[in-house]
Amino acid sequence: EAGVAQSPRYKIIEKRQSVAFWCNPISGHATLYWYQQILGQGPKLLIQFQNNGVVDDSQLPKDRFSAERLKGVDSTLKIQPAKLEDSAVYLCASSSGRGLRAGELFFGEGSRLTVL
Amino acid sequence: DAKTTQPPSMDCAEGRAANLPCNHSTISGNEYVYWYRQIHSQGPQYIIHGLKNNETNEMASLIITEDRKSSTLILPHATLRDTAVYYCIVRVATGNTGTASKLTFGTGTRLQVTL
Repeated sequence: EAGVAQSPRYKIIEKRQSVAFWCNPISGHATLYWYQQILGQGPKLLIQFQNNGVVDDSQLPKDRFSAERLKGVDSTLKIQPAKLEDSAVYLCASSSGRGLRAGELFFGEGSRLTVL
Repeated sequence: DAKTTQPPSMDCAEGRAANLPCNHSTISGNEYVYWYRQIHSQGPQYIIHGLKNNETNEMASLIITEDRKSSTLILPHATLRDTAVYYCIVRVATGNTGTASKLTFGTGTRLQVTL
């Protein structure tokens, strides 16, 4: 079974530039998450999708971050304009979202963003 | 979701059992205990979860106290590849709308397995 795919793995940009990250979840997984992980901290949830609808985006900085999951499969996370404090690893995860297995998230390897 | 408390770091000799504690004294009756780990430069990996009974799988065992206020993750024979940050998380199985509720990570326990 293919895992969660993310790209790019690494990105370096200057502040005020824009960047986009792409995620392809495990086939058939209805729930998709984007997490931000700053160095030395645990992952922080940015947004959660159920199919193509948003379940939770309470911690997404909506003035600069946006995310979409068209057709309920792939997802993109965009940052525009980027700030220095956005330097982090952006992790995508998916789960089947069903019953007790809803808490079994499968994570991608992440996209490491450096903002200069 | 209930808050958890874990020691920031632990050491374990290779081949010995690693016992990672977690305190979740405010856990609710419908909240499960989940454990994940994150090896350096990788995404977190699911290990095990439980409600009130002890659980075991091919990776680890989970011991939950009778009052459910704390739990211990046991790696029976730790290897160097088990060096990672281990996260203890409590969450409900599903949210009010029936969708999967979110997983909130703390700072975890950094386990160092040594020769």
